[in-house]
Amino acid sequence: GAVVSQHPSWVICKSGTSVKIECRSLDFQATTMFWYRQFPKQSLMLMATSNEGSKATYEQGVEKDKFLINHASLTLSTLTVTSAHPEDSSFYICSGGVSATYEQYFGPGTRLTVT
Amino acid sequence: RKEVEQDPGPFNVPEGATVAFNCTYSNSASQSFFWYRQDCRKEPKLLMSVYSSGNEDGRFTAQLNRASQYISLLIRDSKLSDSATYLCVIDTGRRALTFGSGTRLQVQP
Repeated sequence: GAVVSQHPSWVICKSGTSVKIECRSLDFQATTMFWYRQFPKQSLMLMATSNEGSKATYEQGVEKDKFLINHASLTLSTLTVTSAHPEDSSFYICSGGVSATYEQYFGPGTRLTVT
Repeated sequence: RKEVEQDPGPFNVPEGATVAFNCTYSNSASQSFFWYRQDCRKEPKLLMSVYSSGNEDGRFTAQLNRASQYISLLIRDSKLSDSATYLCVIDTGRRALTFGSGTRLQVQP
């Protein structure tokens, strides 16, 4: 199956700093990448959808200036959490999709803790 | 009303038991349906897609009822390794997935 990697797998940062999370599709070209987050005991919630070379589409309630998404190539998307606060602590998961199918391939997730 | 609703459980069953989960969805325009499995602190993994005709993969059987807008998953001969959270997932056509909150299954020896 298709493989998606994320880096880092976990990160602890201080309040007010910015954190960048990378999502890479290793053996396929992801025309679309999705970013989700999951708070403890809750479901995955879609944050944004990005297509290579264009601006991301953010879900209602997700601040685009706080969660910066870049999808510069078919194999790499980045999510930058700017001026992180403790309430941003969550499990961030990306997935890559191929335009020809509806299947999505999930990365292993990044656990962010903001102190 | 949530777009995808599931009984959170937990379902505690002995090894070898048969267990069924149901899920309802609110958007009648939903196009694709899936069951994912998520282990604690891990990413979700696709278990199976769900079709109107029903589909089976080994011990797992999934059914879709579009008229009633519900999806089911049946697990036969439960194994300890089946212990996980099972997520009902739909695609409304936007190609972004909407996840249910999951049903936790604990298979006991």
